[in-house]
Amino acid sequence: NAGVTQTPKFRVLKTGQSMTLLCAQDMNHEYMYWYRQDPGMGLRLIHYSVGEGTTAKGEVPDGYNVSRLKKQNFLLGLESAAPSQTSVYFCASSGAGGPGETQYFGPGTRLLVL
Amino acid sequence: GEDVEQSLFLSVREGDSSVINCTYTDSSSTYLYWYKQEPGAGLQLLTYIFSNMDMKQDQRLTVLLNKKDKHLSLRIADTQTGDSAIYFCAEKDTGRRALTFGSGTRLQVQP
Repeated sequence: NAGVTQTPKFRVLKTGQSMTLLCAQDMNHEYMYWYRQDPGMGLRLIHYSVGEGTTAKGEVPDGYNVSRLKKQNFLLGLESAAPSQTSVYFCASSGAGGPGETQYFGPGTRLLVL
Repeated sequence: GEDVEQSLFLSVREGDSSVINCTYTDSSSTYLYWYKQEPGAGLQLLTYIFSNMDMKQDQRLTVLLNKKDKHLSLRIADTQTGDSAIYFCAEKDTGRRALTFGSGTRLQVQP
């Protein structure tokens, strides 16, 4: 049982390049989330999904797209990377049992956009 | 919108108690959480409290909730050097199930 895994762990991009971050969970969770963490700030929600085939915008969605084609995977895409997207990205998942469901976090992906 | 605030830094000596404070604005919050983040790592859930509770104790951790003042605290008894980390307070938006985080409190434990 690996929990929540993220790939890659670290990536350097040039401005304008695209990439996809992959999140996978093996806990059969309905809900999945993408957050970004910037220095001196808490995590901010980018997009989330309440089930396979569904996605919704979070607090800071601009410049990102997501897809949830399979229940266990949640992909975060950057179509044209900008230096402002330099951050640490965390994926999380939780069950659908109610507000008390705990969110489990992946180890994070460090992204540097030059 | 929701807002969660924490002090940025706390320094204690090994063996002392640490108290990390958090305030939140969303009166409809039903669950409040404490997460720990060690350097270069993801977030680890420490404990959580339901909004109809005043206190929850779990080994060295004690969570106190003052719902009237929207104030949450985490007390770590007998603080150890391994407790050095960033501690995040978070509240849950029941509508979308996502968490709203504070900016984190860096706890430094001096030997």
